[in-house]
This record gives sequence, C-alpha cells and structure tokens, in this order.
Amino acid sequence: GQQLNQSPQSMFIQEGEDVSMNCTSSSIFNTWLWYKQDPGEGPVLLIALYKAGELTSNGRLTAQFGTTRKDSFLNISASIPSDVGIYFCAGQSNNYGQNFVFGPGTRLSVLP
Amino acid sequence: DAGITQSPRYKITETGRQVTLMCHQTWSHSYMFWYRQDLGHGLRLIYYSAAADITDKGEVPDGYVVSRSKTENFPLTLESATRSQTSVYFCASSGGQSLTGELFFGEGSRLTVL
Repeated sequence: GQQLNQSPQSMFIQEGEDVSMNCTSSSIFNTWLWYKQDPGEGPVLLIALYKAGELTSNGRLTAQFGTTRKDSFLNISASIPSDVGIYFCAGQSNNYGQNFVFGPGTRLSVLP
Repeated sequence: DAGITQSPRYKITETGRQVTLMCHQTWSHSYMFWYRQDLGHGLRLIYYSAAADITDKGEVPDGYVVSRSKTENFPLTLESATRSQTSVYFCASSGGQSLTGELFFGEGSRLTVL
C-alpha cells in the first residue's frame, strides 16, 4: 500500500506565484527525493536530500528534509508555465530494502 | 547519448496473451528497476536488479517475470496479461555500488489489456 502522502493532490496557481507542497509519512526515511514528471515523459530528479534538516536549492526550487525525518517540503518560487507537471516525492528507508517509495504526486497547473 | 530506452512505447493486447516490455540502458548502470504508474498510486516497484543475473521482487511482483542476462537489458514479461495490468510501465536505472536516489527513467510503455 501507499506509505507516503502528498498534499495537495492538485493545485492551480497564477504565473508568478510561489508554490508549496509537502510529503509526509508515518515512517522514518534516510533519503528524500523530489521528482517532476512532464506529460508523456518519465520522472526527472529535481532535488535529493540526505540529512535531517537539510535545505537544498536548485534554481527556483527549494526542498527541505524534515527534522523528524518523516516529512519533506518542496517550494517553487515565481512559477512559470513550464513548471506544469506532476511532482513526486520519494523516500528511501532500510524498512523497504533500500528501495525508493514514491508518493502519489501533486499535479501543478500554472495559469497565465 | 541514448540513455535509457523502452519499447514498445504503446501496446494493446488481449487478456491471456504474453507481453514483453523491453528496457535498454547505455550507461552500464548496476541497478535497474521496473515501476508501474496508476492514477492515485504514484509509482510502484514491480522488480529490480542490482546487477546482471541478480533480480528481486518489489512491492507488486505478481503476474510479472524479469531477467537480466546482460547489464544493459532488463526485460519485463507479463506471462498471461490481465486487465488489471493495464498501466504505464517505467524502467529506470541507477549507477554506483549502492542506491543513491538518482534514478534515470525511460519514457514509459503504455500497455492496454483488453
């Protein structure tokens, strides 16, 4: 079953707005990852987080590894039309044999 | 630089037929994975392989078979397709001696089972 929860499930924002989304779990993870999937494509890695409390940026994207190790957050500043897509979080834990568990995704739509 | 390629991109088959989805990577990555993507479920791991001739089950392996005789190829076979296996299938690879999280995904194979 699904071990990661993402919120919101979907969101519509105006171009230029900032976006926040999060990923939560009842389990502790050692690594948190954020992926983006464009329509008809495979997911692409945006940011990887390896330490509790870590804050990492990639251009307009910033992600944080929650201090409880049970959550992670992704922020996108000054959204643009090409930000449209599905954003997935993924966690790695010894509980899952070092494999990655993916959340159900947050679908982002950017209105011009 | 071809990267990771999947074939076919689209496939329609009938219940009970055998289907094989191909995956080929040019990076000599150690790890390869098969995921299925369904609405509301995100990506779920079917099988993975840590090296040639080493494969292991993921979260949803029933009804699927994999093999890895060569490092660069990781085919996924549905021995007797069922309608519940209608999905988008993604192959991925990752380099290094251990899993680091940077999975490189193919473009996906959309399978419809009638």
